[in-house]
Amino acid sequence: GAGVSQSPSNKVTEKGKDVELRCDPISGHTALYWYRQSLGQGLEFLIYFQGNSAPDKSGLPSDRFSAERTGGSVSTLTIQRTQQEDSAVYLCASSSYRDSGTYEQYFGPGTRLTVT
Amino acid sequence: GDSVTQMEGPVTLSEEAFLTINCTYTATGYPSLFWYVQYPGEGLQLLLKATKADDKGSNKGFEATYRKETTSFHLEKGSVQVSDSAVYFCALSLYNQGGKLIFGQGTELSVKP
Repeated sequence: GAGVSQSPSNKVTEKGKDVELRCDPISGHTALYWYRQSLGQGLEFLIYFQGNSAPDKSGLPSDRFSAERTGGSVSTLTIQRTQQEDSAVYLCASSSYRDSGTYEQYFGPGTRLTVT
Repeated sequence: GDSVTQMEGPVTLSEEAFLTINCTYTATGYPSLFWYVQYPGEGLQLLLKATKADDKGSNKGFEATYRKETTSFHLEKGSVQVSDSAVYFCALSLYNQGGKLIFGQGTELSVKP
């Protein structure tokens, strides 16, 4: 079946502009996660959705970052007034609860964001 | 806080050599443990997992055993291939935190023919 998809695959933007990154999870997966992968910081958790609500936003680095999820499916991560330190690969993952009690996550290919 | 520490890379091995990548964790609860792999130019893939103490996860010749007494989840493979060249990430998740993954810093493996 279809995996997690993300768009765009690459985004180059000027400092100060707003960007929107999109994630389409695997159909039926109730949980959705955003992570960021950068050279200096490794892989960092940003935000987690269960259905349309976000019980954990603890990883969002500043109030310039926000995310929403609609219809229990597609999610959008928005970065306002982008800065050069926002340059990274933004990864989305989705999961459903497994019998073992773990949330086994499946990752999308990522969006590479470059802020110039 | 919760964290994962991996051995630093890059690790360079010859084909058919034995591989160990060390991973230790600190967790406030009882975590599930994972190894993810990122091949060049590709996305993150789950390699193996273990959800309770003494469980052994295995896949593609790789193994890791959940050791609660040493808070470790070391990755091993008896005979590596050139195609195993990738970056390997150890991670933990806690059920009461919605399953979010906390990753180690990654270990780059390069296997030479």
